[in-house]
Amino acid sequence: EAEVAQSPRYKITEKSQAVAFWCDPISGHATLYWYRQILGQGPELLVQFQDESVVDDSQLPKDRFSAERLKGVDSTLKIQPAELGDSAMYLCASSLTGNASPLHFGNGTRLTVT
Amino acid sequence: GENVEQHPSTLSVQEGDSAVIKCTYSDSASNYFPWYKQELGKRPQLIIDIRSNVGEKKDQRIAVTLNKTAKHFSLHITETQPEDSAVYFCAARYSSASKIIFGSGTRLSIRP
Repeated sequence: EAEVAQSPRYKITEKSQAVAFWCDPISGHATLYWYRQILGQGPELLVQFQDESVVDDSQLPKDRFSAERLKGVDSTLKIQPAELGDSAMYLCASSLTGNASPLHFGNGTRLTVT
Repeated sequence: GENVEQHPSTLSVQEGDSAVIKCTYSDSASNYFPWYKQELGKRPQLIIDIRSNVGEKKDQRIAVTLNKTAKHFSLHITETQPEDSAVYFCAARYSSASKIIFGSGTRLSIRP
């Protein structure tokens, strides 16, 4: 079964440093999502791509977060500078285009900011 | 606003009993409602989903019901087993940008 690939699996960084996460969606999935999950809470949507275009980034803290999906396939989420409150699990998901298409999640990147 | 409310936050049931988790959504145009199960340290995995043109859907011990008028939907797990212990999230696809918004989760514990 095809899976969403994410790396790294774990990342520890000091505050004020830059950090980047990578995601490779399931082949053929045009829609890609980045979610942030704080321990004990539900996933919070940060940014959603349709192919290479951003369709929603209303909850992305744009002063420090950026996301790109240049060729409409894999994607990178960057934080610069990292803050203590950014410690969380960052989940990437992908889906086919369509209103009833389920999300398939990757294993996530657990970020710890010290 | 775009939100999904989920109750209860924690649920403990005796093995073999049923568990029910309830969610409400705010966008009457929402048309897709998935449920995810997340075990400790693992990714959320889809367990069942329902479209707005259907009132109920079953898959073995799991069922989901949808009340479009009241804008709420529920997950029902019957004959619970120890492996059902996990955190369950409901979600709704909102019409704006077709984004999927998640509830805050329910931690289900099955007592032996």
